[in-house]
Amino acid sequence: DIQMTQSPSSVSASVGDRVTITCRASQGISGWLAWYQQKPGKAPKLLIYAASSLQSGVPSRFSGRGSGTDFTLSISSLQPEDFATYYCQVANSFPITFGQGTRLEIK
Amino acid sequence: QVQLVQSGAEVKKPGASVKVSCKASGYTFTSYYIHWVRQAPGQGLEWMGIINPSGDTTTYAQKFQGRVTMTRDTSTSTVYMELSSLRSEDTAVYYCARDRISLTSRPNYFDYWGQGTLVTVSS
Repeated sequence: DIQMTQSPSSVSASVGDRVTITCRASQGISGWLAWYQQKPGKAPKLLIYAASSLQSGVPSRFSGRGSGTDFTLSISSLQPEDFATYYCQVANSFPITFGQGTRLEIK
Repeated sequence: QVQLVQSGAEVKKPGASVKVSCKASGYTFTSYYIHWVRQAPGQGLEWMGIINPSGDTTTYAQKFQGRVTMTRDTSTSTVYMELSSLRSEDTAVYYCARDRISLTSRPNYFDYWGQGTLVTVSS
């Protein structure tokens, strides 16, 4: 199984800040990676697929980069609605695995 | 619009089975694979398996092999996930999620999700 390790596990930031979350795969996955946002009591929401493609309707302040084993999700200017938990997900092999999550909190 | 609507919360005793439904609408049901993902309280996301609503083929995570069964009913555009031999560790919210790309088993990105079904296992 491919293990996905996210860092940090939690981060505090202020509205307007730029934040970057990292996801590392235990083996190369090319660009087959997705990022999700989850708010309490809600289902996850797809933000980024294929490592860097923005899902329809997602604000352009979200961006993804990476290939192989190292990936990042960046939020360029944090908005109040961005405070949530973020997960990465490997997309090209079974079992599908997720990172453990990064909780983004208001400073 | 695409919607996945799941059945309501369940409370089960250890050793029992639970069957959760996921009714799809707003798209061609047989054109997109459906996955099941669960989330224990305060924990992360765990993939359980995938079903092809067209051919009724399935792939399950090894952890759930022998305990999980995913089926579909094309007449009602509904997918089902049944988990047997329940234990307390199965207490979780269970989600169905649709593949973003039609008629392909890889890669798998989940663009639409059900609202989740809380399954509580307690004696």
